[in-house]
Amino acid sequence: KQEVTQIPAALSVPEGENLVLNCSFTDSAIYNLQWFRQDPGKGLTSLLLIQSSQREQTSGRLNASLDKSSGRSTLYIAASQPGDSATYLCAVIGGNAGNMLTFGGGTRLMVKP
Amino acid sequence: GAVVSQHPSWVICKSGTSVKIECRSLDFQATTMFWYRQFPKQSLMLMATSNEGSKATYEQGVEKDKFLINHASLTLSTLTVTSAHPEDSSFYICSARRTLASGYTFGSGTRLTVV
Repeated sequence: KQEVTQIPAALSVPEGENLVLNCSFTDSAIYNLQWFRQDPGKGLTSLLLIQSSQREQTSGRLNASLDKSSGRSTLYIAASQPGDSATYLCAVIGGNAGNMLTFGGGTRLMVKP
Repeated sequence: GAVVSQHPSWVICKSGTSVKIECRSLDFQATTMFWYRQFPKQSLMLMATSNEGSKATYEQGVEKDKFLINHASLTLSTLTVTSAHPEDSSFYICSARRTLASGYTFGSGTRLTVV
């Protein structure tokens, strides 16, 4: 059974810092991995999708890496802003036909002005 | 990009009544949709997989008679919480994806409060 762990569970930083959020998973047989952002009381917004054959994806100030062999992914946020404050969720996609989405517990990020 | 619309965004109902939540894929067809439940400050818990034209697959511990799922078309899945009780109060979210290689898109969620 796939297990996904996110570290740290919570993070509070001053504006401008570069951040690394960590995600680890136990079963390396995955289709792909997706990072999401969730604001309080809202749905999930997809940030980055990394296919199993890829090692990283970039979008603006965000960069996500994937190392399947070690069961790790990191989300790098450059020059953090107060608007980045949210919960970040890592989801590993696997199972039959990639229909199984396993979430980590999330990292609650607070960026202080 | 793929868009999933969920309605309503919030609902308050009396104990004992039923509530229907809709999940629509707006610009793609989804033979499979997923329903999640989320408690405060916790991650998402998969409740069931909704399959177009066939019965939903429920996760262990989820009462299929309490949470009725209907996926009558390629763009619409509904979750009905029957005979709702205060303990059913939660945040319900649906998701779908356009293709096997695409990521998952989530609806905006429905906050259900049973009083």
